Amino acid sequence: GESVGLHLPTLSVQEGDNSIINCAYSNSASDYFIWYKQESGKGPQFIIDIRSNMDKRQGQRVTVLLNKTVKHLSLQIAATQPGDSAVYFCAERTGGFKTIFGAGTRLFVKA
Amino acid sequence: GAVVSQHPSRVICKSGTSVKIECRSLDFQATTMFWYRQFPKKSLMLMATSNEGSKATYEQGVEKDKFLINHASLTLSTLTVTSAHPEDSSFYICSARDSETQYFGPGTRLLVL
Repeated sequence: GESVGLHLPTLSVQEGDNSIINCAYSNSASDYFIWYKQESGKGPQFIIDIRSNMDKRQGQRVTVLLNKTVKHLSLQIAATQPGDSAVYFCAERTGGFKTIFGAGTRLFVKA
Repeated sequence: GAVVSQHPSRVICKSGTSVKIECRSLDFQATTMFWYRQFPKKSLMLMATSNEGSKATYEQGVEKDKFLINHASLTLSTLTVTSAHPEDSSFYICSARDSETQYFGPGTRLLVL
């Protein structure tokens, strides 16, 4: 069945450093991938997305990389700030809008 | 941007009672809404997909008679947890889509005593 997973459950970084959060997916038919940020007690917040016909997409301080060969997705956060502390989920869609979430990585930013 | 609201934000109920959670799209019409469930320190698990005016499609393992979903209008979907038990305590999150984008609500914390 479909599954999206993460390599690391927690990540601790120093403020100002870059963060890299990784994700592996298993459904090769997925054509759209999204990264979400979730703060405690809140719903997921969209960060950045990428379609399967791309391998890199950049936003403000964030970059998503997609490697379809090994079914790997990563989120890079530049100059990580205390406000970036949250749980980050990768998610995938296959065709329609049914979004399947990965396990999540908790990011701790040390001041 | 588009906003999705949920009501209530948190609810405490006694075991055996039913609880209704509302999900509203505030400035757009949502042809499809989704209900997710999230246990502490876990990921969001899709429970069901509801389309306006039709029956919801439930994911494998989700009891449709336990979790009643109604999507009577393009801006409102409700999830009713019937005969709630302590194991139903969880964070319930809805999501609504327009033609291009999926938006998530702030979640409802349910505690069943």
